[in-house]
Amino acid sequence: AQSVTQLGSHVSVSEGALVLLRCNYSSSVPPYLFWYVQYPNQGLQLLLKYTSAATLVKGINGFEAEFKKSETSFHLTKPSAHMSDAAEYFCAVSGPTGGGNKLTFGTGTQLKVEL
Amino acid sequence: DAGVIQSPRHEVTEMGQEVTLRCKPISGHDYLFWYRQTMMRGLELLIYFNNNVPIDDSGMPEDRFSAKMPNASFSTLKIQPSEPRDSAVYFCASSFGWGYTFGSGTRLTVV
Repeated sequence: AQSVTQLGSHVSVSEGALVLLRCNYSSSVPPYLFWYVQYPNQGLQLLLKYTSAATLVKGINGFEAEFKKSETSFHLTKPSAHMSDAAEYFCAVSGPTGGGNKLTFGTGTQLKVEL
Repeated sequence: DAGVIQSPRHEVTEMGQEVTLRCKPISGHDYLFWYRQTMMRGLELLIYFNNNVPIDDSGMPEDRFSAKMPNASFSTLKIQPSEPRDSAVYFCASSFGWGYTFGSGTRLTVV
């Protein structure tokens, strides 16, 4: 079975500060890992994905994540937070066999950006 | 591309009534997923289809829930009879390879 754990259900940062959202995974097979963002009253939008190529993955809106097998982690970062980054962020894991593998989501981290 | 289209956006119904949620996936996508999101349980996969065939319905909570995909461009999730604990946001997503795209969801309230 696969699972992800997101540490911290709420994270608050100042505008311009570093954003770090934590995700650890558990998987018996090489994982594919994803970060999604959800704005209020909207669906989930893919930020970035790791599918066994480069371990440092760059996504949209200036976000990136690094796959660290030794730490079973896939933390999401952004050097400088913007007010528009305030949203809920979900880490998800799947197996390596393509779209047929269901995504298993973490419980989400609500990011608040303060002036 | 219009993306994944779900209807209705909001649904309020009385306990015991039948509710039907609808989804139009992105053309060319061969997988379709139904998820439910609640504060208590987060995002849960209910069922998914490949080429219109149900592959895994182990997440469907009870026999009151059923899903169909009669063709590549349409799927429904039906709850009969509905109960207050079914209140949630229901998302449909479609994919081809790793391109999962989610719809905007249907917010269901059962009173």
